[in-house]
Amino acid sequence: KAGVTQTPRYLIKTRGQQVTLSCSPISGHRSVSWYQQTPGQGLQFLFEYFSETQRNKGNFPGRFSGRQFSNSRSEMNVSTLELGDSALYLCASSLRGNYGYTFGSGTRLTVV
Amino acid sequence: DQQVKQNSPSLSVQEGRISILNCDYTNSMFDYFLWYKKYPAEGPTFLISISSIKDKNEDGRFTVFLNKSAKHLSLHIVPSQPGDSAVYFCAASVDAGGTSYGKLTFGQGTILTVHP
Repeated sequence: KAGVTQTPRYLIKTRGQQVTLSCSPISGHRSVSWYQQTPGQGLQFLFEYFSETQRNKGNFPGRFSGRQFSNSRSEMNVSTLELGDSALYLCASSLRGNYGYTFGSGTRLTVV
Repeated sequence: DQQVKQNSPSLSVQEGRISILNCDYTNSMFDYFLWYKKYPAEGPTFLISISSIKDKNEDGRFTVFLNKSAKHLSLHIVPSQPGDSAVYFCAASVDAGGTSYGKLTFGQGTILTVHP
């Protein structure tokens, strides 16, 4: 079966702009989590969605938001981009939010 | 506050020998632990996990040991192969009625290099 698909793979944005990243989970998976990976902070949890509802949220500012659609596809949005938002953004899906998380290959965001 | 720590940034071993990757945690609420492997330009791939009710779990060449009193876990790879060269992350979670609600807390990773 197809894995977790993240688009785009690479993105370059200017400081102050906003960006939307997309994640298509494995078919049948209803839980989608997002993580930010940076060299300094490692992998950090952003938020989790299950059946279109945000169930959990990490310690990120309100500029980071997300949503999930009825087909379980998810998007995350970052507004007013800062240089420090440059990172690899990873999406992971699971059947119901238990431990069988499968990660996508990520979207590499560069803010200039 | 780094709740999950991998104190060795890198580890180098010879092919065929044992690789031991270590991980310490501080949050006593963590009750489920996982190891992921990551290649450059790819997402992490799940390797093996262990619940806090166990102290050992094996899957082929991979064994994870959990010492709850020391808040320490380790991943043993025997025998190590060059294809095992990657970054290894340990992660921890709090089980809330059978779900972690998506939140895994990761260590900083250890770069494993297996030399032929």
